[in-house]
Amino acid sequence: SAVISQKPSRDICQRGTSLTIQCQVDSQVTMMFWYRQQPGQSLTLIATANQGSEATYESGFVIDKFPISRPNLTFSTLTVSNMSPEDSSIYLCSVEIGQLSSGANVLTFGAGSRLTVL
Amino acid sequence: TQLLEQSPQFLSIQEGENLTVYCNSSSVFSSLQWYRQEPGEGPVLLVTVVTGGEVKKLKRLTFQFGDARKDSSLHITAAQPGDTGLYLCAGARSASKIIFGSGTRLSIRP
Repeated sequence: SAVISQKPSRDICQRGTSLTIQCQVDSQVTMMFWYRQQPGQSLTLIATANQGSEATYESGFVIDKFPISRPNLTFSTLTVSNMSPEDSSIYLCSVEIGQLSSGANVLTFGAGSRLTVL
Repeated sequence: TQLLEQSPQFLSIQEGENLTVYCNSSSVFSSLQWYRQEPGEGPVLLVTVVTGGEVKKLKRLTFQFGDARKDSSLHITAAQPGDTGLYLCAGARSASKIIFGSGTRLSIRP
């Protein structure tokens, strides 16, 4: 399975600023996924990042607010722009791997980036 | 609205007790996955079920996929404090589209 490193692991940010989260994978992967986990909540998919093309955003998420880069097959960044306290969440990077035993695609996650916006 | 509803949302029980967590949907999934997340970590895959009616056991954890592939359950026997965490079911409906359930926060008291 892939090993994913995310940074920063946590940060405290001021309202109106932007922060970029980095995600590094130890193997080449086609798709990388960015999830948001609001306090006490489950995971919501923000976007899917493919290398060499624009990210695909889910309903309720837009590129201006969450620009994503995918410069190569092992790295992606998510920027949270013009932050407000409502953006305080854990942001998680994940990749999909094929599970041989089941034939299904499953997810491996980074440890997450906990952002607090004041 | 949540596509995958989990119940209960919260559960606090004594060590040694049994419990069941449910994951329900009106949609059919090609596979159903269960993850556990501990504080400061990302979710970690516990099991994948792909066949309607399938039952998988992982030590004290038993997972079942509904016959119609719309729902699943997780049963824990003789719960231990190490079982504490956020349990998430996740359904795959198409290639590269995995949707997470609402989550069940489990606390096991020693």
